[in-house]
This record gives sequence, C-alpha cells and structure tokens, in this order.
Amino acid sequence: AQTVTQSQPEMSVQEAETVTLSCTYDTSESNYYLFWYKQPPSRQMILVIRQEAYKQQNATENRFSVNFQKAAKSFSLKISDSQLGDTAMYFCAFMKREGKLIFGQGTELSVKP
Amino acid sequence: EAGVAQSPRYKIIEKRQSVAFWCNPISGHATLYWYQQILGQGPKLLIQFQNNGVVDDSQLPKDRFSAERLKGVDSTLKIQPAKLEDSAVYLCASSLARPYEQYFGPGTRLTVT
Repeated sequence: AQTVTQSQPEMSVQEAETVTLSCTYDTSESNYYLFWYKQPPSRQMILVIRQEAYKQQNATENRFSVNFQKAAKSFSLKISDSQLGDTAMYFCAFMKREGKLIFGQGTELSVKP
Repeated sequence: EAGVAQSPRYKIIEKRQSVAFWCNPISGHATLYWYQQILGQGPKLLIQFQNNGVVDDSQLPKDRFSAERLKGVDSTLKIQPAKLEDSAVYLCASSLARPYEQYFGPGTRLTVT
C-alpha cells in the first residue's frame, strides 16, 4: 500500500524568506504523480504544484518549486519570497494512474510579518 | 467556469441521526470523488465515481455510509446512523479526463454531538 509521510507538523517563516517542506512516500509503482496542495482556513483545497514521476526535471510554478528524488522517494516543496497569503496547511499527496489521491498528515505553515 | 459546489457548508447533528451532503461537480467532469478529512489529518478517499458508476469504494463504511450519482452529474453522500467519529470535513472533487487535475469544493463540516 502507498503511504505519504510529512514529518513537520508545523513550520514558520519570516515574510520574504524561503522555506522548505518535506515529504516522503512509499510505493512499488514506477508511474505515478505527486502533488502539493494548499488548504487555507476556508478549507478549499488548492493545487500548488504537480510532478509526474517519469519526468526527471523538477516542477516549478512561480515562487513554488519541488525537489523530486525518485530513488529516495522524497518530494519536498520550496516556497521562495514567502508571503502572508501563503499561511495555510500544506498537504503532500500521491496518485497512481486511476485517480485516488493519498494524502500525508499535513504541515501547518505560518508566515510571519 | 463555476467551481465544484457543495451544500450545506456546516451541519450539526446528534449521534444516531442521519445526514446527507450534496455535490455539484464542474460541468462536464465525468469523475467525482468524495473525501473525508478528520481534524488534523489529510483527506481520505471514500468513493470515486466515473459517470454514474462506482470505480472505488473500498474505504467507504458501507454499513452506515451510502453515495449515489444519478445521471452522472450531481452526487449525494449519506450517513445513517451517524457516530461521533464521523465528525469531519467532507470534500467533493471532480475531474475531466485527466485524474491528476482534481478540483475541490469548499467542503461540508459535519459535527456529531
């Protein structure tokens, strides 16, 4: 069975600085997707970034980038130039081709002014 | 484009009562998902529909939970009878052809007292 582990329950960062959230996963699959979702207090789950396992190049979306290490089964999220609006719960998630998302426990990120 | 709609946003019931949640996916999205998110945890898939057929309901507690998707559009999730441990946020998501692009609704927060 696939599992996703986020070892940092809480993190904080100063506005404009950089923070990295960690995620590891366990699977025997070779073809899959990895995601980072953001969930603000409004509860709306928002996709931040997606990585396809067969792509070696790390995904980037503006201030958000990932460090995907397939052999180590590691998928960290780097947020550059942190903004107050980045304050939220961040979930790492794994998906096989069929569409079932498996989420980690989440990391609560606080951006301080 | 309208997003995934869910209602109600909040619901408080007593244990052993019944409750139903409604989800309207994005127009044209064939796949619909219901997730349960217990406080402090990541969401867990309860059931996945492809049009009006069930793809995966392996984690749905079928003795008390039921779900249907009539005509392959709207969906309802029902709990009867509710238990204290059913207190959670129930998230609905939908996707078009590509399961890695799931769009989430705002969720329904259920409190069972």
